[in-house]
Amino acid sequence: KNQVEQSPQSLIILEGKNCTLQCNYTVSPFSNLRWYKQDTGRGPVSLTIMTFSENTKSNGRYTATLDADTKQSSLHITASQLSDSASYICVVSALSNDYKLSFGAGTTVTVRA
Amino acid sequence: DAGITQSPRHKVTETGTPVTLRCHQTENHRYMYWYRQDPGHGLRLIHYSYGVKDTDKGEVSDGYSVSRSKTEDFLLTLESATSSQTSVYFCAIKGQGPDTGELFFGEGSRLTVL
Repeated sequence: KNQVEQSPQSLIILEGKNCTLQCNYTVSPFSNLRWYKQDTGRGPVSLTIMTFSENTKSNGRYTATLDADTKQSSLHITASQLSDSASYICVVSALSNDYKLSFGAGTTVTVRA
Repeated sequence: DAGITQSPRHKVTETGTPVTLRCHQTENHRYMYWYRQDPGHGLRLIHYSYGVKDTDKGEVSDGYSVSRSKTEDFLLTLESATSSQTSVYFCAIKGQGPDTGELFFGEGSRLTVL
């Protein structure tokens, strides 16, 4: 069964600090991996999308990495801001059925002043 | 803004009553999806559609039905709501062109079944 595990489940950081979220997956054959940001009471919004050949991708202060060999991804948030408080969801797509995405349960990040 | 509107955004209903959630898109996308989101779980696929009158089941389809009579509308129906269907429901569309494969989500519909 294709699975996506995220850690930690939640974390609290001070404004201006950095943090890293982890995503491990067992989805095979791998197609791509996406990170989404979900603000409270809103729908998820895409941050990055990475294919097999990409190992780093940035979107502003967000940097995602992918190690397809170990089936791990991370999302690094640099110089956190209060607006970064949200849930971050890792989503992995299998090569054969792109519409059947495997979602992680998310990491809830709280940034405090 | 992917032009997705969900309605209603909030609903409280009683066990055994039928409920219909509506997803409306303005982008003429072919693929549309209904997910539910519960604490501790990732988003789980209920049903999806790949065209008008073309739908298929997802991983948690029991107790739900869908219809798509027009490209722009995808309806999710709970035929007889149960407390286990209390959840937040998200509609999504699959992007086309440069965003191929990307999912764009609506704002969610929070359903409480008493």
